[in-house]
Amino acid sequence: EPEVTQTPSHQVTQMGQEVILRCVPISNHLYFYWYRQILGQKVEFLVSFYNNEISEKSEIFDDQFSVERPDGSNFTLKIRSTKLEDSAMYFCASSEEGQGITSGYFGPGTRLTVT
Amino acid sequence: GDSVTQMEGPVTLSEEAFLTINCTYTATGYPSLFWYVQYPGEGLQLLLKATKADDKGSNKGFEATYRKETTSFHLEKGSVQVSDSAVYFCALTKRDSNYQLIWGAGTKLIIKP
Repeated sequence: EPEVTQTPSHQVTQMGQEVILRCVPISNHLYFYWYRQILGQKVEFLVSFYNNEISEKSEIFDDQFSVERPDGSNFTLKIRSTKLEDSAMYFCASSEEGQGITSGYFGPGTRLTVT
Repeated sequence: GDSVTQMEGPVTLSEEAFLTINCTYTATGYPSLFWYVQYPGEGLQLLLKATKADDKGSNKGFEATYRKETTSFHLEKGSVQVSDSAVYFCALTKRDSNYQLIWGAGTKLIIKP
């Protein structure tokens, strides 16, 4: 069965440093997403990406965040200058256009710890 | 805006008990509805889904029926096991929001042997 993969599984960084979280979506999918989950809290939408541009973003997704699909297979989330409150589990997801249901394909997540 | 409301946890049950976790939603149009499960220390896994009214999603003994008249998608299982202990999330998505998932707060389920 196809799957979304994410690397690294755990990233520890110091406050103020840049991090890049990587995701490889399912190959024929066209929509890509990042979500995050602060420990013990609700899953929150960050951004959706389609046709090489951001299609929607939440209030959380401020200027410190950016996404990119650099090579047609990877989908990355960059945090320019990490803050303590960025510590969370970050999930990548991908979906296929045109179906009634397109969700369900989540990566295993990257746990980001900002110290 | 669209939203999902789940019953608060934790829900604690004994093994082989009947499980219901309530989920109601508010949404315009015709959302698709999902239950995701998150086992301790793991990522999000799709448990089941339903795309239209009266659809029943089922998987691993869990079931949920999409009830448009009550805007509900309650999760049920007839006989829970210790291995079902996890956090369960109800969510919805719609085509006109680019399939962005809108999540409930999650319900922690604890099954005691």
